[in-house]
Amino acid sequence: DTGVSQNPRHKITKRGQNVTFRCDPISEHNRLYWYRQTLGQGPEFLTYFQNEAQLEKSRLLSDRFSAERPKGSFSTLEIQRTEQGDSAMYLCASSLPLPSGNTIYFGEGSWLTVV
Amino acid sequence: AQTVTQSQPEMSVQEAETVTLSCTYDTSENNYYLFWYKQPPSRQMILVIRQEAYKQQNATENRFSVNFQKAAKSFSLKISDSQLGDTAMYFCAFMKHRGASGSRLTFGEGTQLTVNP
Repeated sequence: DTGVSQNPRHKITKRGQNVTFRCDPISEHNRLYWYRQTLGQGPEFLTYFQNEAQLEKSRLLSDRFSAERPKGSFSTLEIQRTEQGDSAMYLCASSLPLPSGNTIYFGEGSWLTVV
Repeated sequence: AQTVTQSQPEMSVQEAETVTLSCTYDTSENNYYLFWYKQPPSRQMILVIRQEAYKQQNATENRFSVNFQKAAKSFSLKISDSQLGDTAMYFCAFMKHRGASGSRLTFGEGTQLTVNP
């Protein structure tokens, strides 16, 4: 069990550029989540997948955000035409399905700074 | 919708002493889970302790224990024998037991705990 892996860990980009983050969940976990966290705040839910199906999306996930999980393994979160307000840490997490999956395990996060 | 409130933005405690962090939540659900997560300066979110709402017995994990008051919708975390490594931001979180948004975590604003030598 290598834990939830995210990369890149840090990304600095110019406003208007596109960025993509990757998440590799714990191998036997079929649920995968994306959260966003700004400084001094708790994480906010963005979206989650069960296998390859995206089952829920938060209203925070604007049209510029897209998440995919092809083949139900790793996931990518793409942000198009980045804005300064997108600067945050993007956390990926994974779990087993309920009721076994009542514990969600987090990765170390990907920091995004938009300049 | 569920909400989680942590009314203590910052707390400090002396090493080896006991500290209690408060959390209240609001939900119309009867079955749910509550969690305390710890986020040290490294920023990785680490599970501290978990409580199932249908269990009356308070959860305990080594030096960490909770006081779960379902009727009052209160879920406090007690840290005994505080250690320097306990310094971190602590988040209280809620998860519905089932349904369309089951397994989505709703977090509080966090409490920054500092353990002083």
